[in-house]
Amino acid sequence: RKEVEQDPGPFNVPEGATVAFNCTYSNSASQSFFWYRQDCRKEPKLLMSVYSSGNEDGRFTAQLNRASQYISLLIRDSKLSDSATYLCVVYSGGGADGLTFGKGTHLIIQP
Amino acid sequence: GAVVSQHPSWVICKSGTSVKIECRSLDFQATTMFWYRQFPKQSLMLMATSNEGSKATYEQGVEKDKFLINHASLTLSTLTVTSAHPEDSSFYICSVGQTNTEAFFGQGTRLTVV
Repeated sequence: RKEVEQDPGPFNVPEGATVAFNCTYSNSASQSFFWYRQDCRKEPKLLMSVYSSGNEDGRFTAQLNRASQYISLLIRDSKLSDSATYLCVVYSGGGADGLTFGKGTHLIIQP
Repeated sequence: GAVVSQHPSWVICKSGTSVKIECRSLDFQATTMFWYRQFPKQSLMLMATSNEGSKATYEQGVEKDKFLINHASLTLSTLTVTSAHPEDSSFYICSVGQTNTEAFFGQGTRLTVV
């Protein structure tokens, strides 16, 4: 059974702080990993892909640990506009069947 | 990336009526489109894969006679919720270009059945 698990939160974080969340996946054959951002009542939008070597995009850093089967997202110097739900998405191959979404982690940045 | 337009963005209908949702790929010829449903505080769940010119492929537990999918062209797929009931109230969202790189989503349709 394919599963992607995330802590639903909410994470209440003061503006300017650093926040990190993890996501674990059960399918060891998973090939690709992504973080999507979803605002309330909106469609998900790709935040960043996650590569084996880890990758950084501005204030956002994503890391993958295949041995322990988890990925992480770190947000530095958080902004009010970072408030959203962050979805962990795992691709295991096979087209549409291969995309599994986590339930998301709700982040609230407080002024 | 692909631009996907979904319409309507929200709809309220009476129980027993049917609702049609359109998903258009504006700049990408999509032989395949995907329909998801998302209940509050839940993850996106794939309902079906829409195939241009052929029958849709439904996920286990999704009633094909209730959720009619038509994909008559490379740019348009429609999902019709037939005889809608309150338990069908949800956020329906389509996507295209779904591979191991990135999925592009429509804006979603919030359906409320009263």
